[in-house]
Amino acid sequence: DTGVSQDPRHKITKRGQNVTFRCDPISEHNRLYWYRQTLGQGPEFLTYFQNEAQLEKSRLLSDRFSAERPKGSFSTLEIQRTEQGDSAMYLCASSRSEPPLHFGNGTRLTVT
Amino acid sequence: AQTVTQSQPEMSVQEAETVTLSCTYDTSENNYYLFWYKQPPSRQMILVIRQEAYKQQNATENRFSVNFQKAAKSFSLKISDSQLGDTAMYFCACLNQAGTALIFGKGTTLSVSS
Repeated sequence: DTGVSQDPRHKITKRGQNVTFRCDPISEHNRLYWYRQTLGQGPEFLTYFQNEAQLEKSRLLSDRFSAERPKGSFSTLEIQRTEQGDSAMYLCASSRSEPPLHFGNGTRLTVT
Repeated sequence: AQTVTQSQPEMSVQEAETVTLSCTYDTSENNYYLFWYKQPPSRQMILVIRQEAYKQQNATENRFSVNFQKAAKSFSLKISDSQLGDTAMYFCACLNQAGTALIFGKGTTLSVSS
């Protein structure tokens, strides 16, 4: 069990650029979640995958956001045409069919 | 939709003392899971304790215990013999039975001083 891995740890980008984050869940975890967390706040649910199927999407996930988990293993979260309001920590978590969720260290995005 | 409310933005306690963090939640489901997670400054979210809603017995993990009141939809966390390393933000969270969404409260910042 090597833990949930997220890459990159930090990303600074200019407004309007596209960014992509990667999450490698714990092996054999079939469930994967993406969250967004702003400073001093609790994580907000973005989306959920069971294997390769995206089964839940929050209303927070605007059409500029897209997430994939093509082979049911790693996942990517892409933000197109970034805005300053997208600046946040993006957390990935994974679990087996039963909880709990195990979280990665997150990717901190800064949009300038 | 599930909601989780933590009414204490900040708490402070001295080493070796006991502190209780409050959490209330709302869900339409009969079976669900409740969690307390700890997030130290600039560090990873770590599971502290979990409770299955169908279990009446309150969960305990070493110095951490919960008071689960299902009818009142209350799920408080008690930390006994507080240590400096307990300083962190604590989040209460509720997971629906299908496991598709874990919803967090806004968190309580706990400061433990010597």
